[in-house]
Amino acid sequence: DGGITQSPKYLFRKEGQNVTLSCEQNLNHDAMYWYRQDPGQGLRLIYYSQIVNDFQKGDIAEGYSVSREKKESFPLTVTSAQKNPTAFYLCATVRDRGRGTEAFFGQGTRLTVV
Amino acid sequence: AQSVAQPEDQVNVAEGNPLTVKCTYSVSGNPYLFWYVQYPNRGLQFLLKYITGDNLVKGSYGFEAEFNKSQTSFHLKKPSALVSDSALYFCAVRDTDSGAGSYQLTFGKGTKLSVIP
Repeated sequence: DGGITQSPKYLFRKEGQNVTLSCEQNLNHDAMYWYRQDPGQGLRLIYYSQIVNDFQKGDIAEGYSVSREKKESFPLTVTSAQKNPTAFYLCATVRDRGRGTEAFFGQGTRLTVV
Repeated sequence: AQSVAQPEDQVNVAEGNPLTVKCTYSVSGNPYLFWYVQYPNRGLQFLLKYITGDNLVKGSYGFEAEFNKSQTSFHLKKPSALVSDSALYFCAVRDTDSGAGSYQLTFGKGTKLSVIP
């Protein structure tokens, strides 16, 4: 919500295609995160970035790639290697690296394989 | 490793009655604890957090949560439920002993709250 924009809201992918989900923030937050949400499984961390030009794998990074060339942007590419990409994808930011700071979330992108 | 459990997939409560959504956690150090709410096809919204200090934390929309270290719990409560409170609620934890630079939030699987008119 607020200063985090995820686009598109809905995305359809054919088998074998790569697609890129956009996440842009104007909150000047340092850290950015990508989560995947599946029914009944909560949120699972895909990748995160604490600073520009640096990012780390989360729990389910296989089949995904990211970049962090600018502080404002953290795009997620879902590659053809991701066997079950249909899910709701959420981008989040955190103001600083203080562990007591809450995360802010975008509105999400729903990806469907057709 | 840190983990969160939300033992109830769904909670039903009558409008005007008190509600409780349960959360237990596991960390190696001390926890930072968070509650978020999600409406259909939307992102998560922050409700409240426990960092240190008073065990009873008050947050947005009349929600509060009680931190209990001996029971490793952080249950979400509200004295009088509204139909508009119906949503998906997530508990999350971060371990204060996480490695340098680590900022991973671990989420529970969520509890669907239905408030019945």
